[in-house]
Amino acid sequence: AQTVTQSQPEMSVQEAETVTLSCTYDTSESDYYLFWYKQPPSRQMILVIRQEAYKQQNATENRFSVNFQKAAKSFSLKISDSQLGDAAMYFCALMYSGGGADGLTFGKGTHLIIQP
Amino acid sequence: DTAVSQTPKYLVTQMGNDKSIKCEQNLGHDTMYWYKQDSKKFLKIMFSYNNKELIINETVPNRFSPKSPDKAHLNLHINSLELGDSAVYFCASSIGRSLYNEQFFGPGTRLTVL
Repeated sequence: AQTVTQSQPEMSVQEAETVTLSCTYDTSESDYYLFWYKQPPSRQMILVIRQEAYKQQNATENRFSVNFQKAAKSFSLKISDSQLGDAAMYFCALMYSGGGADGLTFGKGTHLIIQP
Repeated sequence: DTAVSQTPKYLVTQMGNDKSIKCEQNLGHDTMYWYKQDSKKFLKIMFSYNNKELIINETVPNRFSPKSPDKAHLNLHINSLELGDSAVYFCASSIGRSLYNEQFFGPGTRLTVL
């Protein structure tokens, strides 16, 4: 079974500061992808960033970057220069080939609050 | 020009009723999914459907059944609704089952069972 754990139910950061959201996972698969999704109050799920497990280089998308530690099974998300529009639930997710319903396995989410 | 759409967005119904949620994608994707998000915001895969192959999460009750009239649609039918079925249901689609392919989510349907 695959599991994804987000240990921070809620995080708060001042606007323009940097915040890091934690995620750890467990899988016996060697071929998998990791994702961060954002869910604002509108409820829409939006892909923020993704990381291929076989790539050592950490993914970066503008102000969003990840710290992927494969041996430690850790996949944290760093948001630089936080903006009010970043306020949302953030979900870490894993997708592996084969088995089950073949979909994303999600963590329980971190509610990110941006203080103006 | 919505990529993945769901109808209705809100659904309130009584216990024991049968209801359906429709999902349509205009992206030309081959794979579609249904996810359930419970009251604690936990998201869990229910089904995936690719080229007439349905994969079911073993925890999903058989009261839930997805039906795909064509590649662009994957509707969710729920029989004998129970209080615990209250949740937000998300449809998603991707180009294929490749791990790299991004899943595009619909806006969700909030189901309330009274």
